[in-house]
Amino acid sequence: GIQVEQSPPDLILQEGANSTLRCNFSDSVNNLQWFHQNPWGQLINLFYIPSGTKQNGRLSATTVATERYSLLYISSSQTTDSGVYFCAVESGGSNYKLTFGKGTLLTVNP
Amino acid sequence: DTAVSQTPKYLVTQMGNDKSIKCEQNLGHDTMYWYKQDSKKFLKIMFSYNNKELIINETVPNRFSPKSPDKAHLNLHINSLELGDSAVYFCASSPSWGEQFFGPGTRLTVL
Repeated sequence: GIQVEQSPPDLILQEGANSTLRCNFSDSVNNLQWFHQNPWGQLINLFYIPSGTKQNGRLSATTVATERYSLLYISSSQTTDSGVYFCAVESGGSNYKLTFGKGTLLTVNP
Repeated sequence: DTAVSQTPKYLVTQMGNDKSIKCEQNLGHDTMYWYKQDSKKFLKIMFSYNNKELIINETVPNRFSPKSPDKAHLNLHINSLELGDSAVYFCASSPSWGEQFFGPGTRLTVL
């Protein structure tokens, strides 16, 4: 099956700093999503981005499908950005199932 | 107005018991899923239903049985609970091709 690798596994930032999270995947994808799992365990949809670039406030994402990677940018980080960021992909013939990476644990300190 | 809801949110039970988790979505989606998140936060698909038909069964023990009474509901029944079943179980839904939305999760603890 498709492999999904996220980096870095852990990231500690001071409030106000910028960061880039990376997701590499091993095959072509029909779907790619970024999620934020907050400290209460909720999985929050950030982006649905099988290709191209999207922006939502301080967050933006870019997927280069031909090179099999996606990037999540967080600018001017806030303590509420803390949590685990997951990349998940759906490849062709997978019957819509999402395969998740292991996540990036982000800690933003005040 | 919750899009994907699950009950209960927490479930604490003894080994050997049978329990169910319920999931409902009001998004009009025709595909629903169960995912399991283990203690290391790794998320993995368990089952998927499309228009009430099982389309994914990811080598889950047959003690786990999903049931979809209609397109808006997907329940998970677990027989003879084991310690290793302790995890957070997430329900999700999506249109057949498209973005998946997750419920709040059910934290199952087996003692």
